[in-house]
Amino acid sequence: GESVGLHLPTLSVQEGDNSIINCAYSNSASDYFIWYKQESGKGPQFIIDIRSNMDKRQGQRVTVLLNKTVKHLSLQIAATQPGDSAVYFCAEKGGSEKLVFGKGTKLTVNP
Amino acid sequence: SAVISQKPSRDICQRGTSLTIQCQVDSQVTMMFWYRQQPGQSLTLIATANQGSEATYESGFVIDKFPISRPNLTFSTLTVSNMSPEDSSIYLCSGQTGGAYEQYFGPGTRLTVT
Repeated sequence: GESVGLHLPTLSVQEGDNSIINCAYSNSASDYFIWYKQESGKGPQFIIDIRSNMDKRQGQRVTVLLNKTVKHLSLQIAATQPGDSAVYFCAEKGGSEKLVFGKGTKLTVNP
Repeated sequence: SAVISQKPSRDICQRGTSLTIQCQVDSQVTMMFWYRQQPGQSLTLIATANQGSEATYESGFVIDKFPISRPNLTFSTLTVSNMSPEDSSIYLCSGQTGGAYEQYFGPGTRLTVT
């Protein structure tokens, strides 16, 4: 069945450093991937998405990389700021409109 | 994008009672979904709310426990029936516009059952 997981449950970085959050997925038929940021007490907030016909997509300070060969997804945050502290979820969609969420990585940015 | 609101934002309920959560979207969306998120956990899909017809439930969730309505393209409700402490969780709704893949989420409803 479909499942999405994360390599690391927590990540701590210094302010100004780059952050890399990883995600593994198991469904090779998944054709759409999305990253969400969830701050404490709030709902998930869309960050960036990527379709399976792409390897890389860039947004403002964020980049998503997709490696379909090893079924791996990563979110890179440049010049990490204290406001980036949150839990980050990857999610995949394959063959239906339903999103399957990974376990989440808690990012802590130290001043 | 769509802006989604939920009511109530939180509630404390006694076991055996029911609570109805409302979800309002500021624009028409093709699809609406309801999720549950246990504290410190990921999101689990409860069901897809279908306009004008019965919701489509995921494995482990049933209509008698989580009845859902969706009378139009911008509004849906989720009822948590005959609550027990195990139902204590965050309940989130999301919307997805036609032709797009991304889902936008409401702020969630924090439910505590005592």
